[in-house]
Amino acid sequence: GAGVSQSPSNKVTEKGKDVELRCDPISGHTALYWYRQRLGQGLEFLIYFQGNSAPDKSGLPSDRFSAERTGESVSTLTIQRTQQEDSAVYLCASSDSTRGSYEQYFGPGTRLTVT
Amino acid sequence: GDSVTQMEGPVTLSEEAFLTINCTYTATGYPSLFWYVQYPGEGLQLLLKATKADDKGSNKGFEATYRKETTSFHLEKGSVQVSDSAVYFCALGPRDTGRRALTFGSGTRLQVQP
Repeated sequence: GAGVSQSPSNKVTEKGKDVELRCDPISGHTALYWYRQRLGQGLEFLIYFQGNSAPDKSGLPSDRFSAERTGESVSTLTIQRTQQEDSAVYLCASSDSTRGSYEQYFGPGTRLTVT
Repeated sequence: GDSVTQMEGPVTLSEEAFLTINCTYTATGYPSLFWYVQYPGEGLQLLLKATKADDKGSNKGFEATYRKETTSFHLEKGSVQVSDSAVYFCALGPRDTGRRALTFGSGTRLQVQP
């Protein structure tokens, strides 16, 4: 079956521009997560969606970052007025929390480069 | 807060060598523990997991045992192959981790030479 997909796979943008990153989770997965992976580092949690509950935004690094999710499907991560320190790989993951699954399934990521 | 500490890489081994990648954690309660692997050019994949103390997770010849007394979850493989070259991430999450994010270590790059 289809896994988590993300688009674009690569994005180069100029400092100060806005970018939108898209995530399509596995169908039926109620939980969706965004992480950031800076070069040579581990994953930093950004935001978590669970069904129709209010999202957990505790990991968002600044108010330039926001994310939306439509129901239990597509999510968009938006970074406004990008800065060079935003350059990273942005990873999306989904899980089927209704079944008590502990596993998160990751997409291939979007590599963002801010010049 | 929760944290995961992994040995720094890169770890360079010859084919058929024994592998150990150390992982220790700090967490409240009784977390679930995971090893994820990221092959070159690919996304993270779950390698193995353990959900309670003394559990042993295993997959593809890799093993890790959940040691509560030493708060560790070291990854081992008896004989590595070139195809095992990848970055390995140790992670923890609460039992109901499907409802919350995982906490990841910084990753350990493994390079296996023929």
